[in-house]
Amino acid sequence: DTAVSQTPKYLVTQMGNDKSIKCEQNLGHDTMYWYKQDSKKFLKIMFSYNNKELIINETVPNRFSPKSPDKAHLNLHINSLELGDSAVYFCASSRKGQSNGVPQYFGPGTRLTVT
Amino acid sequence: DQQVKQNSPSLSVQEGRISILNCDYTNSMFDYFLWYKKYPAEGPTFLISISSIKDKNEDGRFTVFLNKSAKHLSLHIVPSQPGDSAVYFCAASAPGGTSYGKLTFGQGTILTVHP
Repeated sequence: DTAVSQTPKYLVTQMGNDKSIKCEQNLGHDTMYWYKQDSKKFLKIMFSYNNKELIINETVPNRFSPKSPDKAHLNLHINSLELGDSAVYFCASSRKGQSNGVPQYFGPGTRLTVT
Repeated sequence: DQQVKQNSPSLSVQEGRISILNCDYTNSMFDYFLWYKKYPAEGPTFLISISSIKDKNEDGRFTVFLNKSAKHLSLHIVPSQPGDSAVYFCAASAPGGTSYGKLTFGQGTILTVHP
C-alpha cells in the first residue's frame, strides 16, 4: 500500500546513456513533482505537473523530460547522461488546489550514479 | 541564492530533553512553512506546517514557532526520543502563479538523540 513509489531505487549507468525513472502515487493526488537532491544535500524542485499539465519547469537542462501519462504517474526521462546528473531524485505528490501549505508526500528516492 | 537556510548541520540531544531546530529565510513572499523528517534511504516525511498568519502550531511533541519579523522559524521536539534521530528539513512556499506548489528547502539538520 505504498503511497508514492519510484523505480528503480538505484540506477548506475555510463555517461551518454538515456535512462528513465518511474513514479506512481496511489493517493488520488492531482499534482506531482520531481526533486533533485545533489551532493550538498539540497532538495531542489525540477518539475511539477497538475493533472497531467506542466506547471513548474525550473532551469533544468532540456535533456530532462518529464512525462505524465495520467495523473497517478510522472516519469522522468534523462537523455545523454552526464556525471553531474548523479544525485538522488525524489518524486512527490500533493492534492489539488492552492498548494501552499499542502503537504507533499515523497517517494523513497532513486539514487542515480553516472560513471 | 539560498532562500531557506538551516545553519546548524547537526544537533545532538539527550533523550527526554528538548530539541530545537532552527531555520532562516530571506524571501518575504513565503507564506507557508513546513518541516520534514528524513531517514536514510527514505524520502522526506511531512511533520508539521505553519501559515504566516500564525506564530505557533503544535502537534503532539512537535511545535513550530514562526517569527516573521526576524524571518526565522524553529521546530521544538519535546521530549526527544531516539527514534527522532533523522535529518530535518525546513521548507517554504510562496503564493501561487509560477510558484504553484514549489517548495524551497533548507539543507537539513542532522538530529541525533542519545538514549
